[in-house]
Amino acid sequence: DQQVKQNSPSLSVQEGRISILNCDYTNSMFDYFLWYKKYPAEGPTFLISISSIKDKNEDGRFTVFLNKSAKHLSLHIVPSQPGDSAVYFCAATFQGAQKLVFGQGTRLTINP
Amino acid sequence: DAGITQSPRHKVTETGTPVTLRCHQTENHRYMYWYRQDPGHGLRLIHYSYGVKDTDKGEVSDGYSVSRSKTEDFLLTLESATSSQTSVYFCATTGNPSGANVLTFGAGSRLTVL
Repeated sequence: DQQVKQNSPSLSVQEGRISILNCDYTNSMFDYFLWYKKYPAEGPTFLISISSIKDKNEDGRFTVFLNKSAKHLSLHIVPSQPGDSAVYFCAATFQGAQKLVFGQGTRLTINP
Repeated sequence: DAGITQSPRHKVTETGTPVTLRCHQTENHRYMYWYRQDPGHGLRLIHYSYGVKDTDKGEVSDGYSVSRSKTEDFLLTLESATSSQTSVYFCATTGNPSGANVLTFGAGSRLTVL
């Protein structure tokens, strides 16, 4: 049972344009959501997060939007840069949980 | 991820042989995790630990065992490796897995089972 889903395995975007990565979840108990970024031959690194009490969180070029009613979150990258090419994982957790649940990942390629 | 060291970083082994992967942390984090990453499956949790000698299964625990005798070390053992266990394995740690306390990952261990 995949509680966190990233339905797009890959995404290709032109440099300078907006990249939008999507994530859906099924467990209503989730109250905290995170995005991780992974380069080849490296471990994932934390990128940005959002609590369920918010619907938007911004950090520089990265913004995460949360739509609780739709159980959907998205990561916006504006403007996209070649260094943003990586695999992005969405993850979710809740207060008292002992683990995060990850999505399948989306490979983002930024074309010059 | 300077505080998490995985060893070995690369290993090639044959079907049926035992394999142990080691994760060492200097963060003094209570929680430690082993994930495997496979195309189309993302990061899947194998086992995790919530304290010394306290471990629990994740979603893909069959064929794997773990041990944690010290806070800083978390071992993942494949008793008899199979080709389906060819993967990249990541260790991760956190002081608190809920809310804003994020996971810190190691650099990964690539295992090939022939």
